[in-house]
Amino acid sequence: NAGVTQTPKFQVLKTGQSMTLQCAQDMNHNSMYWYRQDPGMGLRLIYYSASEGTTDKGEVPNGYNVSRLNKREFSLRLESAAPSQTSVYFCASSERDTPSEQFFGPGTRLTVL
Amino acid sequence: QKEVEQDPGPLSVPEGAIVSLNCTYSNSAFQYFMWYRQYSRKGPELLMYTYSSGNKEDGRFTAQVDKSSKYISLFIRDSQPSDSATYLCAMSGPGRRALTFGSGTRLQVQP
Repeated sequence: NAGVTQTPKFQVLKTGQSMTLQCAQDMNHNSMYWYRQDPGMGLRLIYYSASEGTTDKGEVPNGYNVSRLNKREFSLRLESAAPSQTSVYFCASSERDTPSEQFFGPGTRLTVL
Repeated sequence: QKEVEQDPGPLSVPEGAIVSLNCTYSNSAFQYFMWYRQYSRKGPELLMYTYSSGNKEDGRFTAQVDKSSKYISLFIRDSQPSDSATYLCAMSGPGRRALTFGSGTRLQVQP
C-alpha cells in the first residue's frame, strides 16, 4: 500500500497563476483533509471532506477550492495564487471523521513569486 | 491566544537521555490527544493516540494526559539520533471535525 500520495512534490508559481494539487489514498478511508504548514504556525486545516460527496471549510479556506472526486481522491485548487500561499501543503486521510487517527502524505512545497 | 501551545525548541539532548516533550491547551472539551513525529521534509506520522486522561506506553514512548491541568506530555526513553525530528501534538473533542495542532518542538539527539 502506498498510503497517501501527493503530486507534485514541488511547484513554483507566479502571482495570479492557478494550479491543482492532487491527493490520493489507497486505505479505503472515508475522510480526507488538506492542511498547510508554515513556520511557527503548525498545521492549519484548509478544507476537509468527511465522506465522499461532502466538503467543508476549515480554519483557512480563503483562496482555495476543493473537489472530492471519488472516495480515493481529494484535490486542492488555487485559482489565483498569491505570495501568502507559499507554504507546504499536506493531504491526510482517516478512516472516519475526527477523532480518528489521520495519516499524512509527503507534502507539496509551493512557492508563489 | 492559541488553543494549543508548544515550545518550538530546539531541544538538544545526548544519546540515551530521557526526553520530555509537552503541550498545554485551553479547550477543556478536548478528549483525544495525539503525538506526531515529522522528519525534515516529510509528512507527519502518528506516534501515539490517547483518549481522555492517563498514560499510554509503546516501546520507548510514553504519552501522558493530565486533563485537570490541560497538559500533555510525550516521554522518550533511551533517546537515539534517529529520534531527531519535530514532534507535533494534536488534539480534538466532540463536535470537532478536525485536529488542532501545536506548532511542534524540534528535537536533536546528539550521538
